[in-house]
Order: sequence, then C-alpha cells, then structure tokens
Amino acid sequence: DAMVIQNPRYQVTQFGKPVTLSCSQTLNHNVMYWYQQKSSQAPKLLFHYYDKDFNNEADTPDNFQSRRPNTSFCFLDIRSPGLGDAAMYLCATSRARSSYEQYFGPGTRLTVT
Amino acid sequence: GQQLNQSPQSMFIQEGEDVSMNCTSSSIFNTWLWYKQDPGEGPVLLIALYKAGELTSNGRLTAQFGITRKDSFLNISASIPSDVGIYFCAGRGAGGGNKLTFGTGTQLKVEL
Repeated sequence: DAMVIQNPRYQVTQFGKPVTLSCSQTLNHNVMYWYQQKSSQAPKLLFHYYDKDFNNEADTPDNFQSRRPNTSFCFLDIRSPGLGDAAMYLCATSRARSSYEQYFGPGTRLTVT
Repeated sequence: GQQLNQSPQSMFIQEGEDVSMNCTSSSIFNTWLWYKQDPGEGPVLLIALYKAGELTSNGRLTAQFGITRKDSFLNISASIPSDVGIYFCAGRGAGGGNKLTFGTGTQLKVEL
C-alpha cells in the first residue's frame, strides 16, 4: 500500500544533542510538509517543499532545518534540541501544488531529556 | 491570521448516538478537510469538501461545506467505540497555497 512512513516512531535525545527525524513516502507526491504537534493542540506547520523548492514558515525557529534529497525522502534536523522541542513531529504529503488533501505519516514522538 | 474554532471542545456520548460537531471561521475558506487522530498516531483524512453547500459522505460520516464558506459541519451516525479520538477540521483560505489552517479539535469519547 502506498503510504507515508516515519522513522523512528519514538526518539529520545539529550538537551542540545542534534537529532534527525526521517520521512519517506511511496505515494510519489510532489509536496512534503513537516508539522510539530504538542499535546492536545493542532499541528503547527514548520516548513514544506514543492519538489525541491523549500518554504519556511516565518515563526519556525532557526534550530529547525530540513533536507529533501529526492522525491521520496525528507528529513527534519533539530540542531540543538531544547526541552520545549519535545513534541510529536508529523510528516505529510500532497500530490501537487494544486492539491489540498494532505496525507500524514504516523508521527515521531520526540522526548528531550 | 486565520483561525478555526471547533465546537464542542469535547463530547462524551453513548454508543449508538449520532454526533455533530462544527468548525467556524471569521474569514472565507475555499477548501475544508476533516481529519481524525487516534492517540499517538498521525491524523487520517476523512472527508474533503471543495464547494460551498457541498454535502459529502464517507460511511457513517457526513460533512458539509457551509454556504457562507466560513463554516463546516461533521456528523457521525450511530457512533461506535472506535470513533473515539480527536477530530480536526482544516481549511485552505484564499491565497493560502497548499497551507492548511487547523481547527482546535473536538475530542470524542464514547461510552459503551
């Protein structure tokens, strides 16, 4: 089945220690998104890619970076995680720039100790 | 910025009951989406709406795109225990590109 895959599902990192979360998709979708979701809140968009065209949200901290080496994969790098970065990180895809339906992966729960 | 308010914030209902929830905005949206999120999982797309007045069903779920384009409604008929979760509406505003604005969520709990 075509899907959005996130690895790992659970990640524990230490305060200040860089961490990378990964997302892959077999849907062959052009657009990929990273969201941060804290407990009982709505997902908050961090950035997205139209193909290789990177679009950062104005309020996304510089501590968060992303890479998309090819259509299938996208990475979220947190350079120096703080306690406030503990959250669920969700990857989503949509077929094309003109498509508004977003399909989410299962998420990665990040814990910062 | 654009905000979406969902009502109710949470509901506790009996199995077999019908459920209604809504999502309202102070500005116009061109697309409405409804998602369900189970604990520890990502949101799953339930229904997408593209035209004012549109009524779309997916099994026991029915959603409507409000005529004013400032609201949307989701109904669940004959609720079952697996309907438990958080339901989010999401909208795409005019000029919003692919970006979605998410609602505040409605948490549904079903009593057996």
